[in-house]
Amino acid sequence: SQTIHQWPATLVQPVGSPLSLECTVEGTSNPNLYWYRQAAGRGLQLLFYSVGIGQISSEVPQNLSASRPQDRQFILSSKKLLLSDSGFYLCAWRTKTQYFGPGTRLLVL
Amino acid sequence: QKEVEQDPGPLSVPEGAIVSLNCTYSNSAFQYFMWYRQYSRKGPELLMYTYSSGNKEDGRFTAQVDKSSKYISLFIRDSQPSDSATYLCAMSVTGNQFYFGTGTSLTVIP
Repeated sequence: SQTIHQWPATLVQPVGSPLSLECTVEGTSNPNLYWYRQAAGRGLQLLFYSVGIGQISSEVPQNLSASRPQDRQFILSSKKLLLSDSGFYLCAWRTKTQYFGPGTRLLVL
Repeated sequence: QKEVEQDPGPLSVPEGAIVSLNCTYSNSAFQYFMWYRQYSRKGPELLMYTYSSGNKEDGRFTAQVDKSSKYISLFIRDSQPSDSATYLCAMSVTGNQFYFGTGTSLTVIP
C-alpha cells in the first residue's frame, strides 16, 4: 500500500531564516505530487504540483519554491521566511483522487 | 464567485443524530467529487470518492452528487463523538487539479 511521509511535524522558525520541508511517497512510482498550505478558515491553497522529476508548476507567486530531485521526493523551500508563511503545509499525491500526508505545522516568529 | 462553496459551521449535534453536510459549486465540468475528514492538527483523510452523479454508501456514510443542481452532500448516520472533525469537500474536472471547500466543523456531543 502507498504511504506518504512528511517531516518535520512541527517547526518554529525566525523571520528571515531558510526553510526546507520534505515529503516522500512509498509504494508507488511516478506519482503526481502536490504542496498545499492550509490557513485557519481559508481552506487549502495549492502552492505547487509536479508530474515528474524536475517538473514543477507554481500556482501562487510567493516566497516559496519547490523541487523534485527524485521520483518520490518533493521538497518545499524558502530562502527567507516571512511571518505570512506561517501555516499548515500538506503534501499530497494522486491516483484517481488525492491522498494527504500528516502535514507540517510551521510557525514563523 | 468561488469554485466551491461550503458552510463553515460550526455544526453541533447530539450523538446518534443524522448529519448532513453540503457543498455547492459553479463549474459544471466537475466530474470527480470527494469528501475528506480532518481531525485537528492532522492531514485530511479521504472518506468518500464519487465519479459523476449518483449516490455512494460506505458504512454510516453516504455521499450524494446532484450535478443538475451543482450540489453534493455527505450524510452521516448514527453520528459518534469520534466523527467530530472538520469535513472538506473537493472536486475536480480531470482528476489532476482539485478544488476544495473551506471545510465544515462538526462536533458530536455524547
